[in-house]
Amino acid sequence: LAKTTQPISMDSYEGQEVNITCSHNNIATNDYITWYQQFPSQGPRFIIQGYKTKVTNEVASLFIPADRKSSTLSLPRVSLSDTAVYYCLVGDPRIYNQGGKLIFGQGTELSVKP
Amino acid sequence: ETGVTQTPRHLVMGMTNKKSLKCEQHLGHNAMYWYKQSAKKPLELMFVYNFKEQTENNSVPSRFSPECPNSSHLFLHLHTLQPEDSALYLCASSQETGGSYEQYFGPGTRLTVT
Repeated sequence: LAKTTQPISMDSYEGQEVNITCSHNNIATNDYITWYQQFPSQGPRFIIQGYKTKVTNEVASLFIPADRKSSTLSLPRVSLSDTAVYYCLVGDPRIYNQGGKLIFGQGTELSVKP
Repeated sequence: ETGVTQTPRHLVMGMTNKKSLKCEQHLGHNAMYWYKQSAKKPLELMFVYNFKEQTENNSVPSRFSPECPNSSHLFLHLHTLQPEDSALYLCASSQETGGSYEQYFGPGTRLTVT
């Protein structure tokens, strides 16, 4: 599975846009890029998933360059409640649901201040 | 509410006790998972069940014994645990839908081994 590298922590202020970049230099052709959010003492929550270019949903955008060796999660106008750990994962979902592994890295601890 | 429930939410047990963690998903998914999350560490995948069959055992010690009687229920039987087994144990489920990597996590069981 492709290894991912993210910043350990980031600070932001309410109302700002936050961009968290993840490096995955050895991503495979069939791999997707997925981001999860986790609050303390809770299970992770799926945020967004993409394969290439740009994906947007009601909570975030995911930017993936043509070489797919990195990706950027963009959170528009963050609030205090966005303080959490954000995980970037790379893998082939088809293999995963047939017994493959979903590997969570260290994640990025985002702290949003007033 | 994610559709995945776990009981109990908190558990304190001695090293000689036997206890069980329960997970139930109300989403009609065909895959269920156990994860362990120790303090300040990433999630570690422990077991994967696909259509009630165990498809992954990630080198977990035998003092952890999973059971999946049907596709909606998953148990983790615990016996003769060690203090280092104290952690948040998370259950998750998923359904392969056209390459989605989305897993739904329960709230977790906070386990303390004394």
